[in-house]
Amino acid sequence: KAGVTQTPRYLIKTRGQQVTLSCSPISGHRSVSWYQQTPGQGLQFLFEYFSETQRNKGNFPGRFSGRQFSNSRSEMNVSTLELGDSALYLCASSLAGEVNSPLHFGNGTRLTVT
Amino acid sequence: AQSVSQHNHHVILSEAASLELGCNYSYGGTVNLFWYVQYPGQHLQLLLKYFSGDPLVKGIKGFEAEFIKSKFSFNLRKPSVQWSDTAEYFCAVNAPGGYQKVTFGTGTKLQVIP
Repeated sequence: KAGVTQTPRYLIKTRGQQVTLSCSPISGHRSVSWYQQTPGQGLQFLFEYFSETQRNKGNFPGRFSGRQFSNSRSEMNVSTLELGDSALYLCASSLAGEVNSPLHFGNGTRLTVT
Repeated sequence: AQSVSQHNHHVILSEAASLELGCNYSYGGTVNLFWYVQYPGQHLQLLLKYFSGDPLVKGIKGFEAEFIKSKFSFNLRKPSVQWSDTAEYFCAVNAPGGYQKVTFGTGTKLQVIP
């Protein structure tokens, strides 16, 4: 079974631009979560989707948004990029989306904002 | 809100030494606890999990963790580390009703010297 796939692997953008990241979960997984990973802050929860509905949202500004499609694939969008948005963005899927379902992570998208 | 603290940011051990990584969480109710590991160049993966029952849980590659409710702790242990255990280790907590809003610690980088 294929793992969680994130595209692209690397992105370089300039301040003020917007970016869209994509995540394909493991087949059959209906929950998709997004995390921002930085050296100082570790993994910070962005949001979680289940069956196309956002169930949880972290403490990030409205510039960060996402959506999930009927095939469970998910996209994350960041508008008006700032230097501080440079990070590794991780997507994770889980089978049932319940609290005791382990997360399966992708390799991440490395975003650099210049 | 739940939070997780990992006290050791960087640990260096010689092969065959014993390992204990500290993890404390703050949440007053029932929690689900996890340890994830990220080997160099690989994605985050589940090491072990605790939901209920025996507070001593065993995971892959000889790792174990003990849940001590009175101390709000979930420390990770391994009796004898190997060079291949060099990785970054993340403690995480998820509370019932929180769906997949998992809170991670900032991580501990373990370096094992041959």
